[in-house]
Amino acid sequence: EIVLTQSPGTLSLSPGERATLSCRASQSFSSIFLAWYQQKPGQGPRLLIYGTSNRAKGIPDRFSGSGSATDFSLTISRLEPEDFAVYYCQHYGSSLPTFGQGTKVEVK
Amino acid sequence: QVQLVESGGGVVQPGRSLRLSCAASGFTFTNHAMHWVRQTPGKGLEWVASISFDGSDESYVDSVRGRFSISRDSSRNMVFLQMSTLRPEDTSIYYCAKSLLSYDITPLFDYCGQGTLVTVSS
Repeated sequence: EIVLTQSPGTLSLSPGERATLSCRASQSFSSIFLAWYQQKPGQGPRLLIYGTSNRAKGIPDRFSGSGSATDFSLTISRLEPEDFAVYYCQHYGSSLPTFGQGTKVEVK
Repeated sequence: QVQLVESGGGVVQPGRSLRLSCAASGFTFTNHAMHWVRQTPGKGLEWVASISFDGSDESYVDSVRGRFSISRDSSRNMVFLQMSTLRPEDTSIYYCAKSLLSYDITPLFDYCGQGTLVTVSS
């Protein structure tokens, strides 16, 4: 099982600031199999990024992903009010897909 | 637009059964694998089960294999999760999810529903 550890647990920022979220894996895997999701209260997860750096349909270009092997990151270039939410990374390349524990991006 | 609407959650005693349903619309249902994912405050997000686009392949997380069964009805665009021998640790919000890729059971989800809460308690 690949364990994903996200940091920080909470990120306190102001609208317009840049957010950088980290996802570290317990073992190396192909960057093809790393995704990021956004979740707001009362909603299911929403796909943002797949294959480490590919934006899902309708996702603004202020969201970008990068990384390889065991270290991956999600960057939000300029936070909009609707971006304050919880973000999860996911590995989906094996018979047991796993998620990180989440990073909450909150208003400072 | 894609819509996934879950139903069937509730409070159930340990050892009992429950069947969750998911009504899908806004996409070609027969082209996409479907999945169930659950979420608890303490354990976060957990993939539960997947079913291929044609229903010929299923997969489960170890903790539910043999107790849960995923199925689909393409005539009604619905997915089901039959849950048996429920345990307190199955208490979660259960989300129905659609595969991003056509004809591929890879558990990469581009849409999730709003979820249905299952509480297993005596």
